[in-house]
Amino acid sequence: ILNVEQSPQSLHVQEGDSTNFTCSFPSSNFYALHWYRWETAKSPEALFVMTLNGDEKKKGRISATLNTKEGYSYLYIKGSQPEDSATYLCALHNNNDMRFGAGTRLTVKP
Amino acid sequence: DGGITQSPKYLFRKEGQNVTLSCEQNLNHDAMYWYRQDPGQGLRLIYYSQIVNDFQKGDIAEGYSVSREKKESFPLTVTSAQKNPTAFYLCASSMEYVGYGYTFGSGTRLTVV
Repeated sequence: ILNVEQSPQSLHVQEGDSTNFTCSFPSSNFYALHWYRWETAKSPEALFVMTLNGDEKKKGRISATLNTKEGYSYLYIKGSQPEDSATYLCALHNNNDMRFGAGTRLTVKP
Repeated sequence: DGGITQSPKYLFRKEGQNVTLSCEQNLNHDAMYWYRQDPGQGLRLIYYSQIVNDFQKGDIAEGYSVSREKKESFPLTVTSAQKNPTAFYLCASSMEYVGYGYTFGSGTRLTVV
């Protein structure tokens, strides 16, 4: 079973702070890495899909990088806003399904 | 609007009873999945189905059953054999190639009383 670890488990930042968190995995033997954003009482929403070592993706103030050789992906949020408060899930697409980390719960205080 | 609908949002079950969670999608997705979430843990795969009338066990299938009689529907039954059924259950679907990512439902919280 491909083990996906996310750190930290939770994070509290002030509005305007930039922040980042990590998804790590033991092997580069997967098809794609996905980041999802999960707000309370809503469905998880896809943020990024990354497949190649060195991939960088950006959507507004949020960006992500992938390093398959060293087994990690970073998610960055620049200038955090209260609406960024959510749980951010990392998942690896492996064979016929995806393996999820436990998520990083981000709280942005106004 | 296309999407996935899970019902009910909250469900209470007495010990020893079977209960069925509904998951319906109108996205014309081939594959559907059931995950379970417990506090502090990642989503764990219960069952998945890639085509109608076919499904495979995930990592924690014991005590659960599914059916896939229609492309749009993938109900999950939590049986009395499931020893610790209180959890949050999330349904997802994807196009044939899961690299496109999942579309998720909003989940069902099951509590055994």
